Amino acid sequence: ELKVEQNPLFLSMQEGKNYTIYCNYSTTSDRLYWYRQDPGKSLESLFVLLSNGAVKQEGRLMASLDTKARLSTLHITAAVHDLSATYFCAVGEGLTGGGNKLTFGTGTQLKVEL
Amino acid sequence: KAGVTQTPRYLIKTRGQQVTLSCSPISGHRSVSWYQQTPGQGLQFLFEYFSETQRNKGNFPGRFSGRQFSNSRSEMNVSTLELGDSALYLCASSFTLDSPPYEQYFGPGTRLTVT
Repeated sequence: ELKVEQNPLFLSMQEGKNYTIYCNYSTTSDRLYWYRQDPGKSLESLFVLLSNGAVKQEGRLMASLDTKARLSTLHITAAVHDLSATYFCAVGEGLTGGGNKLTFGTGTQLKVEL
Repeated sequence: KAGVTQTPRYLIKTRGQQVTLSCSPISGHRSVSWYQQTPGQGLQFLFEYFSETQRNKGNFPGRFSGRQFSNSRSEMNVSTLELGDSALYLCASSFTLDSPPYEQYFGPGTRLTVT
């Protein structure tokens, strides 16, 4: 059974600082997703990483994937208050009958202090 | 273009009742997946539909069922509701999940409260 572990679970940081969220998973996959969720809201797609060494950046967020280490990271550069949210990584499993099942990490609740 | 829509947004039901939730995917998308989100269990996969066929199902009891219509709209049904079914139910839409880029877009969710 696929396990996805995220750490830290909670992250309080000051504006302007850098930090990294880690996502480890237990079985081979070539699909790694990052989502953002604001309180009471749905999931907003941030990145989909599909190959070893893939790196994607959007604004102050950069995600990378190391399929050999089964590790993805979400790096936050010079955090701003607007980045406060819960961030989820999810690993996609291609299934025998086709399709894709996402197994989510527990989420990292990020709070950026003004 | 319009995003994924889910109705109703909020629902309060009593134990033992049944409920039907609806999801309209992004226009042109043929795959619809359902997820349950609770504080205790996090986000869990319920099932996925593609071209009116359920292709995959998560580890949920048979009380949870769903279907997809020819226009790709999907419904999920929960019968004999239990308190533990209180959750945010999220629907995700994708053009296809059989080839890259495997993007999945989530709707706003239906918040179900069982009393």
